[in-house]
Amino acid sequence: DGGITQSPKYLFRKEGQNVTLSCEQNLNHDAMYWYRQDPGQGLRLIYYSQIVNDFQKGDIAEGYSVSREKKESFPLTVTSAQKNPTAYYLCARRMNTEAFFGQGTRLTVV
Amino acid sequence: LAKTTQPISMDSYEGQEVNITCSHNNIATNDYITWYQQFPSQGPRFIIQGYKTKVTNEVASLFIPADRKSSTLSLPRVSLSDTAVYYCLVGETYNFNKFYFGSGTKLNVKP
Repeated sequence: DGGITQSPKYLFRKEGQNVTLSCEQNLNHDAMYWYRQDPGQGLRLIYYSQIVNDFQKGDIAEGYSVSREKKESFPLTVTSAQKNPTAYYLCARRMNTEAFFGQGTRLTVV
Repeated sequence: LAKTTQPISMDSYEGQEVNITCSHNNIATNDYITWYQQFPSQGPRFIIQGYKTKVTNEVASLFIPADRKSSTLSLPRVSLSDTAVYYCLVGETYNFNKFYFGSGTKLNVKP
């Protein structure tokens, strides 16, 4: 799993509900990232964090929130303000110049 | 961050060598070039990285001309399992605050 675990693999939510996606890493790395991928598209950066208690917005942060209370955990909350939340969400950790990804969470909002 | 441009898709046959070119005209002096591979329903994984000339590992080769405004990922003797999306990224080695993935190149290997 490249030292990074995302759960659950599939998630279904009703429109208007907030949902939190889990991302955990066990290799004590500082930098972690959240991406969104839509069908047939590349990855777009939502948020990233370089150290505990600090995170930065990426290109498409609106409608999302994150926290980084512990080095090993970087959860992403998809809020009801996100207009089109159905997508494939990928979390990554960075070691030097390489990014290592989890298996992703496929979120479907109905 | 340097913008990258890649072909949207490519077709190949098993056993052929495949070359995927990435254009990065605004590459900075401290930027490195990195390629990732993504299979459906999986996160991207690192393939190769280089700064100039040629880099080779057990999976691929990376060719970078002297002006560094482009790079070519070379996959020798592809198989069906090499069907994937390939991304080219450009950025500073130790300042990879953001990994920007473009749309990538969808490689389709046929039997």
